[in-house]
Amino acid sequence: EVLLVESGGGLVQPGGSLRLSCAASGFTFSSYWMCWVRQAPGRGLEWVANIKQDGSEKYYVDSVKGRLTISRDNAKNSLYLQMNSLRADDTAVYYCATGQLAPYSWGQGTLVTVSS
Amino acid sequence: QSVLTQPPSASGTPGQRVTISCSGTSSNIGSNYVYWYQQFPGTAPKLLIYRNNQRPSGVPDRFSGSKSGTSASLAISGLRSEDEADYYCAAWDDSLSGVVFGGGTKLTVL
Repeated sequence: EVLLVESGGGLVQPGGSLRLSCAASGFTFSSYWMCWVRQAPGRGLEWVANIKQDGSEKYYVDSVKGRLTISRDNAKNSLYLQMNSLRADDTAVYYCATGQLAPYSWGQGTLVTVSS
Repeated sequence: QSVLTQPPSASGTPGQRVTISCSGTSSNIGSNYVYWYQQFPGTAPKLLIYRNNQRPSGVPDRFSGSKSGTSASLAISGLRSEDEADYYCAAWDDSLSGVVFGGGTKLTVL
């Protein structure tokens, strides 16, 4: 069974940084594209980024380019999202998920709140 | 403003058949697969339909998906109270090089 567990969320001031992690188990992590999807409070889903199996390809939604960086460590079965220059509109629950063209299996999410 | 367009709400009575539409363009739905998700309040989304009309194991056959041109639909037959949730469509967009979602449809079972 696919299990994805996100961590690292919390309260951060505008302009600050945060690193989210996603621990994967129950499948061959190194064989799958992975992605991050976020959901602002009371709002819909927004795809953030995805990354190829070996990390050689990455794609981002325009609103996060240059500020958020997706990465992975296949030896640790882990996915990451480095978040810099955070803004109030980055406040959301962040989900990690398997999949390239769309998310398949999802984690439970971690809440990031950007506020002073 | 979402790239894919869904009605904000839909409703039906138990046993009824309900459809939720999802409208896009040639760069997303018109040239890529459509996916559907179900989300209950406070929980993570769950994949309901993949590749236009395929159901993951465990998803009842009351749920079905279809696609025609730049539009797609999710149909729920034999509506049940436990189907009350938010539903989202999604597709890869070739122009944006990213996944785009619909704004979501809140389904109410009357």
